Amino acid sequence: DAGVIQSPRHEVTEMGQEVTLRCKPISGHDYLFWYRQTMMRGLELLIYFNNNVPIDDSGMPEDRFSAKMPNASFSTLKIQPSEPRDSAVYFCASSWFLGGTNEKLFFGSGTQLSVL
Amino acid sequence: EDQVTQSPEALRLQEGESSSLNCSYTVSGLRGLFWYRQDPGKGPEFLFTLYSAGEEKEKERLKATLTKKESFLHITAPKPEDSATYLCAVRSVNRDDKIIFGKGTRLHILP
Repeated sequence: DAGVIQSPRHEVTEMGQEVTLRCKPISGHDYLFWYRQTMMRGLELLIYFNNNVPIDDSGMPEDRFSAKMPNASFSTLKIQPSEPRDSAVYFCASSWFLGGTNEKLFFGSGTQLSVL
Repeated sequence: EDQVTQSPEALRLQEGESSSLNCSYTVSGLRGLFWYRQDPGKGPEFLFTLYSAGEEKEKERLKATLTKKESFLHITAPKPEDSATYLCAVRSVNRDDKIIFGKGTRLHILP
């Protein structure tokens, strides 16, 4: 398996533009997580899905952020309109399950977003 | 509110100089404590999961331990390739299975 695949690896955009980040989880994983990482705040959970259903989106900073998971192999995180303070590295992670001795998250390589 | 605090923020060691990283947590009910390693430009990579006080796990030069209030990641005789950011995370019974991360400890091993 190729692991969790995120695209694009880098995104540079101007304030006010729409940004869409993409994630393909590992096949068979039931959970998908979106995290944002900055130096100041570390790794913050934005939203997570279980079997394609959003379970908790309380970490989504504002209505400008939205996430979808139309099927088990694809998820998007959209920011509209983007602002400079959204600049960060966005990670997608997936997992078979939560709980149990083999519980772990598998992370993608991240999308470095810069909003000018 | 659930919190995870890691210390120190950064640590520089000479090759072979053993040390420990600390992860203090405050949660209503711990369902799991995790350690991850993150290299520059990459996503975090899983190291260990600990579930109950007194539990220990080892992998090569790393050993993770857990008490009711904190976890330690012990690094024995580190090598330059152990240089990375080490992240601690917890899953709490009261947070609907959210996994919350600390800000990490940046470890640099000098040859």
